[in-house]
Amino acid sequence: VTLLEQNPRWRLVPRGQAVNLRCILKNSQYPWMSWYQQDLQKQLQWLFTLRSPGDKEVKSLPGADYLATRVTDTELRLQVANMSQGRTLYCTCSARDRGPGNQAPLFGEGTRLSVL
Amino acid sequence: QQKVQQSPESLTVSEGAMASLNCTFSDGTSDNFRWYRQHSGKGLEVLVSIFSDGEKEEGRFTAHLNRASLHVSLHIREPQPSDSAVYLCAISNSAGNKLTFGIGTRVLVRP
Repeated sequence: VTLLEQNPRWRLVPRGQAVNLRCILKNSQYPWMSWYQQDLQKQLQWLFTLRSPGDKEVKSLPGADYLATRVTDTELRLQVANMSQGRTLYCTCSARDRGPGNQAPLFGEGTRLSVL
Repeated sequence: QQKVQQSPESLTVSEGAMASLNCTFSDGTSDNFRWYRQHSGKGLEVLVSIFSDGEKEEGRFTAHLNRASLHVSLHIREPQPSDSAVYLCAISNSAGNKLTFGIGTRVLVRP
C-alpha cells in the first residue's frame, strides 16, 4: 500500500520559474512529514520536517530556494524557486520524530525536476 | 556535523554469494542507523534499522553496529539479481526524521 503520493512525478522547469510540489499522506498514523533533495550526484540531503498544519519553513541551498508548507494533516507542499540544477525531491513520513528507536522515515516515489 | 562515508563505491557479486557493505561515520553520539536501498528511478526502501551495538537481522539483510569504531555494515545473504540497486547508509540522532546519508554503494548481482 502506497503511503505517500507525490505529484507531479516529473517537471521541466524553465529557468527562473518556480514550481509547486505536493505530497499527500495516505495513512494518518505517520504524521511527521519531511522533504529531502537528491542532487545530480545522487547525494541525499534533508530539507525540512513539518508536523502541524500551518507550519512553514524556508531554506536556500546551492542551486535552489525552498519554501515548505504543511497545509493540512495529510498534505505537504514544497515550492522550488531559482533552480539552476536539476534534482529529485522526496517526501517522507514517519510515526514519530523523537525518542530512541523511532521508526525509519518512509519515502515517496519522488518528483524529478529538470531545468529548461 | 555528521559525515557519512560508504565503501566500496561499487560492488559486483555472483548470485548466492554474500555481499558486504561498509559505512563509517564521524559523530559517535548518533543512535539511529539505517540501511536503505534505491532501485534505479525509484524511491528509497528501508531494509534494516539498528540502534545499539551488535547485530540486527531483517530477512536476508543483517546490520552490524560498532559505535566505538564509528562503523556500521550491511551483509546481504544469498543476493539475487533483483537486489541490484544502490544501498544507502543513513544516520540520525534522536531527531529521527533528519537523516544524514552516505553517497551509496552500487551493487550489481550477476546471475
